[in-house]
Amino acid sequence: EPEVTQTPSHQVTQMGQEVILRCVPISNHLYFYWYRQILGQKVEFLVSFYNNEISEKSEIFDDQFSVERPDGSNFTLKIRSTKLEDSAMYFCASSYIVGSNQPQHFGDGTRLSIL
Amino acid sequence: QQPVQSPQAVILREGEDAVINCSSSKALYSVHWYRQKHGEAPVFLMILLKGGEQKGHDKISASFNEKKQQSSLYLTASQLSYSGTYFCGTGGGSQGNLIFGKGTKLSVKP
Repeated sequence: EPEVTQTPSHQVTQMGQEVILRCVPISNHLYFYWYRQILGQKVEFLVSFYNNEISEKSEIFDDQFSVERPDGSNFTLKIRSTKLEDSAMYFCASSYIVGSNQPQHFGDGTRLSIL
Repeated sequence: QQPVQSPQAVILREGEDAVINCSSSKALYSVHWYRQKHGEAPVFLMILLKGGEQKGHDKISASFNEKKQQSSLYLTASQLSYSGTYFCGTGGGSQGNLIFGKGTKLSVKP
């Protein structure tokens, strides 16, 4: 069964450094999402992306964050000048069609630890 | 506005049943249910799209009461593999982003 893959599985970075989290969505999916989950808390929406544009973003997704689809398969989340509070599990998800009536398939996540 | 889940946690013996509720103060277009095991990604269970719709997956089923703006997830004859945190996510219509509740931690003991 096709799946969303994320790399790396764990990223440790010094505060103030930039990180790039990578995702390969399911190949025929057109809509991509990033979510964040701070340890022990709920999953929080960050951003959705379609046709090389951001469709929707949350309050969390400020100027520190950016997303990109650099080629036909990868979808990246960049965090500039990381802060301690950015430590969390970051999940990428994809769906074939947009809309809240479509299932989203999640990757295994990247655990980001900011020191 | 995030949906509210109840209970926050439940402990079951294998074979027992459980109900997890998800309610919203806003009109619901859809309700998504996911299960997340510790250290793993959320796994999609089912979507409910319209009022009164019920869906089932093995011994896990769910209902959606659009008027009451709530959904319930039913786990019958629970198995050890059902243990995990169950999240409901509500959709805002045409936008794909999901707003998740805080989750219900389900522990099934032998």
